[in-house]
Amino acid sequence: EIVMTQSPATLSVSPGERATLSCRASQSVSSNLAWYQQKPGQAPRLLIYGASTRATGIPARFSGSGSGTEFTLTISSLQSEDFAVYYCQQYNNWPKTFGQGTKLEIK
Amino acid sequence: QVQLVQSGAEVKKPGASVKVSCKASGYTFTSYDINWVRQATGQGLEWMGWMNPNSGNTGYAQKFQGRVTMTRNTSISTAYMELSSLRSEDTAVYYCARGRGDMDVWGKGTTVTVSS
Repeated sequence: EIVMTQSPATLSVSPGERATLSCRASQSVSSNLAWYQQKPGQAPRLLIYGASTRATGIPARFSGSGSGTEFTLTISSLQSEDFAVYYCQQYNNWPKTFGQGTKLEIK
Repeated sequence: QVQLVQSGAEVKKPGASVKVSCKASGYTFTSYDINWVRQATGQGLEWMGWMNPNSGNTGYAQKFQGRVTMTRNTSISTAYMELSSLRSEDTAVYYCARGRGDMDVWGKGTTVTVSS
């Protein structure tokens, strides 16, 4: 199974600043990579699919990039509602696998 | 609107089984795969398997093979996930989520607690 590794585990950023989250796959997943946001007590929400396509209703400050084994989620100007846990997930190979998550916290 | 509505919280004893339901509305149930993902308290997301509601075909993560069964009732647009031989480590929130690759619609989750 493909192992997804996210870094850092915790990222402290001030509101209005840029946040960059990384996700690495143990083997190529092409562009079959999604990003999710999860807030406490809530289900995950799809942000990005196909490595770089924003899901419906996702603000433009969220962007995804990468292919193969290295991926990045960038939030250009952090809003208060963006502080949450972010997960990457590959769907190129069976079984689907998630990264362990990056907690984005207020600095 | 498109939504997945899950059944309520369950408390089970070790060795028992639990069956969680996931009712789809706002879209054609048979057009999208249903996945099941679980999350233990304070932990990450763990994909358990998927089902094609049209064909009934399923695929389970190896970890759950032999203990999980995913079924559906198309007449009421509802998917089910049954997990047997429960142990304390199965205590978690169980989510259903729509999608073949990425998962774009999620239920709110069902808390399953396994305790003697």
